[in-house]
Amino acid sequence: DIQMTQSPFSLFASVGDRVTITCRSSQTISRHLNWYQQKVGKAPEVLIFGASRLQTGVPSRFSGSGSGTEFTLTITSLQPEDFATYYCQQHYSTPITFGQGTRLEIK
Amino acid sequence: EVQLVESGGGLVNPGESLRLSCAASGFALSDHNMVWVRQAPGKGLAWVSSITSSSDYIFYGDSVKGRFTISRDNAKNSVFLQMNSLGAEDTGLYYCVRVDYYDTTGLYFAYWGQGILVTVSS
Repeated sequence: DIQMTQSPFSLFASVGDRVTITCRSSQTISRHLNWYQQKVGKAPEVLIFGASRLQTGVPSRFSGSGSGTEFTLTITSLQPEDFATYYCQQHYSTPITFGQGTRLEIK
Repeated sequence: EVQLVESGGGLVNPGESLRLSCAASGFALSDHNMVWVRQAPGKGLAWVSSITSSSDYIFYGDSVKGRFTISRDNAKNSVFLQMNSLGAEDTGLYYCVRVDYYDTTGLYFAYWGQGILVTVSS
């Protein structure tokens, strides 16, 4: 199974900050990497697919990059609604696996 | 509007069974692969099982293989998860999810239900 490791586990930031979350895979996954946002009490929603493609309707302050084994999710100019938990997911091979999540909290 | 509505969850004793249902609307279920994802209380996301649009291919995570069975009825716009020999480790919120493809091999979990709670406890 491909292990996905996110860092940091949690992150404190302020409105207007720029933050970056990293996701590393235990083996190469090309660009088969998606990012999801989950707010408390809600189902996850896809933000980025294919490592860098923005889902329709997602604000442009979200961006993704990377390939191979290292990927990043960047949020520029944090907004209050961005405080949530973020998960990366690889779909290069079955079983599909997720990172453990990164909790983004208000400083 | 795409909607996925799970039902069938609840509290069961260890060793018992449950059957989850997912009612799909707002799209042609027969055009999409579907998956179940679960989330233990306070924990992260875990893929459980996948089924292709015509039920040709089915996959399970190691933790549920041999105990869970995924199925679908496209005519009734429904997806199911039969869960047998449940244990405490199966406790969590179960999501029904529609899979979309952005190219021939690239997929993402595009639409999620609200989730249904399964609690296994004596």
